[in-house]
Amino acid sequence: EDQVTQSPEALRLQEGESSSLNCSYTVSGLRGLFWYRQDPGKGPEFLFTLYSAGEEKEKERLKATLTKKESFLHITAPKPEDSATYLCAVPYGGSQGNLIFGKGTKLSVKP
Amino acid sequence: DSGVTQTPKHLITATGQRVTLRCSPRSGDLSVYWYQQSLDQGLQFLIQYYNGEERAKGNILERFSAQQFPDLHSELNLSSLELGDSALYFCASSPGGGTYTDTQYFGPGTRLTVL
Repeated sequence: EDQVTQSPEALRLQEGESSSLNCSYTVSGLRGLFWYRQDPGKGPEFLFTLYSAGEEKEKERLKATLTKKESFLHITAPKPEDSATYLCAVPYGGSQGNLIFGKGTKLSVKP
Repeated sequence: DSGVTQTPKHLITATGQRVTLRCSPRSGDLSVYWYQQSLDQGLQFLIQYYNGEERAKGNILERFSAQQFPDLHSELNLSSLELGDSALYFCASSPGGGTYTDTQYFGPGTRLTVL
């Protein structure tokens, strides 16, 4: 069964304290991995798509990397406005694009 | 702002009732997806439409149905509502037919409360 597991469930950081979030997946033939950011009560906001092992993408203080079994979202020198829940998702097996989401990592950055 | 709009933002209703949630995709996007997000289950895929046709189905209850109209907007109908249907309902859209390379852009959601 295709699954996406994110860890940790929650992460508290001080402003400027870098860290990484993990997303591990078990799917038959990875066709891409998506990272989203979600603020409370709002819709997920697209961050990155990674398609192949070894690929990296960056946006401001965020960098996403992908291996054959997991992805990492590295947060460098975070600020309070980076506080949110970060979700990763993979396409369900087959040709359809509907996504299987992990339960997310809730990140809190304190000033 | 993703360009995906959803109405209403909030909906409060009673058990046994029926409601309709509406979604307008981003300009030019042909696929619409519906997801349910509850505290214990996370984001769960319900159904996808592509250019008016049902393309994929997830864990959608028989009490729920959806359609996509010629102008590409979509509606999700929820009937015989139960307390457990209380959740955030999100619509997403993507440019193409929903292949694995398509990026999905999410709307702001509709919060449904069933009393």
